[in-house]
Amino acid sequence: KQEVTQIPAALSVPEGENLVLNCSFTDSAIYNLQWFRQDPGKGLTSLLLIQSSQREQTSGRLNASLDKSSGRSTLYIAASQPGDSATYLCAVDNTDKLIFGTGTRLQVFP
Amino acid sequence: DAGITQSPRHKVTETGTPVTLRCHQTENHRYMYWYRQDPGHGLRLIHYSYGVKDTDKGEVSDGYSVSRSKTEDFLLTLESATSSQTSVYFCAARKGQGTGELFFGEGSRLTVL
Repeated sequence: KQEVTQIPAALSVPEGENLVLNCSFTDSAIYNLQWFRQDPGKGLTSLLLIQSSQREQTSGRLNASLDKSSGRSTLYIAASQPGDSATYLCAVDNTDKLIFGTGTRLQVFP
Repeated sequence: DAGITQSPRHKVTETGTPVTLRCHQTENHRYMYWYRQDPGHGLRLIHYSYGVKDTDKGEVSDGYSVSRSKTEDFLLTLESATSSQTSVYFCAARKGQGTGELFFGEGSRLTVL
């Protein structure tokens, strides 16, 4: 059974710092991995989708990497801003459904 | 705009009553999903659909049923609501299996008294 873990569970940093959020999974036979952002009281917004054949994806200040063999993905946020404060979730897709981690709650203070 | 709307957005009901949550999508996605989100458990899959009239169970399907009679609508029914089903329910959808980006609705907050 696929299990997805995210560390740390919560993170509080000053504005401007570069951040790394971690996601690990137990079954490496995945189709893809997605990173999402969730603001309080809202639905999830897709940030990045990495196919199993890819090593990384970039969008603006966000970069996500994928290492299937070790069962790990990282989300790198450059030059963090208060507007980045949210919960970040990763999800792995290894059949026809996604399995989610419990998320990292990020707070960026001015 | 992901084109996914959920209704109702908020509902308070009593134990033992039936409840139906509706998910409507406008992007012709083939796959649709119902998740529940609870503190300490994250998002857990209840049921999903891979086409009209084609559905399957997720990890927490007990006490829930679903129906999909049209591509655009996916209904989640609690036949007899219990307090343990108090949660935030999210609908999600995507075009394909294995490659498709997943889009979410805004959620439906259900309180069972």
